[in-house]
Amino acid sequence: AQKVTQAQTEISVVEKEDVTLDCVYETRDTTYYLFWYKQPPSGELVFLIRRNSFDEQNEISGRYSWNFQKSTSSFNFTITASQVVDSAVYFCALSALRGGYQKVTFGTGTKLQVIP
Amino acid sequence: KAGVTQTPRYLIKTRGQQVTLSCSPISGHRSVSWYQQTPGQGLQFLFEYFSETQRNKGNFPGRFSGRQFSNSRSEMNVSTLELGDSALYLCASSLDMGQGNSPLHFGNGTRLTVT
Repeated sequence: AQKVTQAQTEISVVEKEDVTLDCVYETRDTTYYLFWYKQPPSGELVFLIRRNSFDEQNEISGRYSWNFQKSTSSFNFTITASQVVDSAVYFCALSALRGGYQKVTFGTGTKLQVIP
Repeated sequence: KAGVTQTPRYLIKTRGQQVTLSCSPISGHRSVSWYQQTPGQGLQFLFEYFSETQRNKGNFPGRFSGRQFSNSRSEMNVSTLELGDSALYLCASSLDMGQGNSPLHFGNGTRLTVT
C-alpha cells in the first residue's frame, strides 16, 4: 500500500525566513515517482516538481529546493527567503504503475502562511 | 495550450437534488481524475477515466458517478445530495503514457454548497 505523510498541518513564517515542508512516504514499489503541488487560495493545484525513485539528486529552482532521501523515505521541500506569494497549501504525492494505470496517493497537505 | 477547464465554478443545491459537474482536459490528455476536497478530509480520490473507461474508483457511495466522452471531456454526477457533499470538486488530467509518472494538471475546481 502507498502512504504519504505530511505531519505539518500548518506553518507560519515571517517573510524572508526559510521554511522546510516535510514529506515522508511508504511504498513497496521499487519504481515510483514523487511530486509536489502548490494550491494557492484560488483553488487550482499547480505541479511543481517530479522525482523518480532512482534519482536522488537534490534539485534547486530559484528559491525552491527539494531534498530526496531514499534511506529515510523523505522528499522535503525548502523555500528560501519566503515571500507572501508562497502562502498556499502544499501537497506531496506518490505515484506508481499498478495494473496498467497510474495510482496516485496524496498527503494531507501543509498550509503555509507567510506573514509580511 | 488551454488548461483544464471546470464548469461551473460555483453551485448551490438543496439536499436531495442532483448535480452534474463538467471537466474539459488539456488537449491530448486521455486520463481524467476527480477529487473531492474538504477541510477535514483533504483530497479524496473519486474516480479516474481513460479512453471512456473507468479504470479506478475511490471509496465513495454509488451516488457519485462519472463518465468520459470520446473527446476526453468528463462529467461527474452526484445524486440525492447530502449536506456532507459540500466540497471543492477538482478535476485533473494527465498524459498518462503508461509509465506511472505523469503529473496531474488540475482545474480551478467547482465549489458545491448543499443547503
